[in-house]
Amino acid sequence: GAVVSQHPSWVICKSGTSVKIECRSLDFQATTMFWYRQFPKQSLMLMATSNEGSKATYEQGVEKDKFLINHASLTLSTLTVTSAHPEDSSFYICSARDTRLRTSGIRSYEQYFGPGTRLTVT
Amino acid sequence: SQQGEEDPQALSIQEGENATMNCSYKTSINNLQWYRQNSGRGLVHLILIRSNEREKHSGRLRVTLDTSKKSSSLLITASRAADTASYFCATVNAGNNRKLIWGLGTSLAVNP
Repeated sequence: GAVVSQHPSWVICKSGTSVKIECRSLDFQATTMFWYRQFPKQSLMLMATSNEGSKATYEQGVEKDKFLINHASLTLSTLTVTSAHPEDSSFYICSARDTRLRTSGIRSYEQYFGPGTRLTVT
Repeated sequence: SQQGEEDPQALSIQEGENATMNCSYKTSINNLQWYRQNSGRGLVHLILIRSNEREKHSGRLRVTLDTSKKSSSLLITASRAADTASYFCATVNAGNNRKLIWGLGTSLAVNP
């Protein structure tokens, strides 16, 4: 299997506080994880690529000091929204890339998604 | 960045009817994937079709890929109310670091 969990599933915080979201690959190791945000009735927007043991790669327009990413182990990446504001309210989704060799000998590079975290900043 | 476009943006059908959604993309791809998302929930991977494949089936799902037109379609046959969800296509570009490039999605409502 390939299960990815996120914690918390939802969080409400006050403006100016920081919030940490965890993304875990439960039954496989993931050297690469991705963080997305999604506004209501819109598609996913890639925020950053999280690489185990190195700095994350942020997409254009995403503030790295605002959205801190740490990928300290092969099964855990965290996204910290610092000094959150109401405009940061969104649905945050992570995915983990599974690079295990298949029985075919080919790596699928398939991404498995977490269930998402609903952040509401008041 | 978003490069894919899906049409229609919204689709409403009766239970039992077929639903067809289309996706277009702009660059050469390694593969194209379809996902389903129920309202406010995570994504469910439906099917992956590689660039050298033209058609793929999985249960009531049928996906086609036309690389010459840079387009794909997802057909759901004999739809059920439980199929109500948003459907997204995502491509992995050839030579990319295998990031998923997402379409804008089609919102499907299947009425009982």
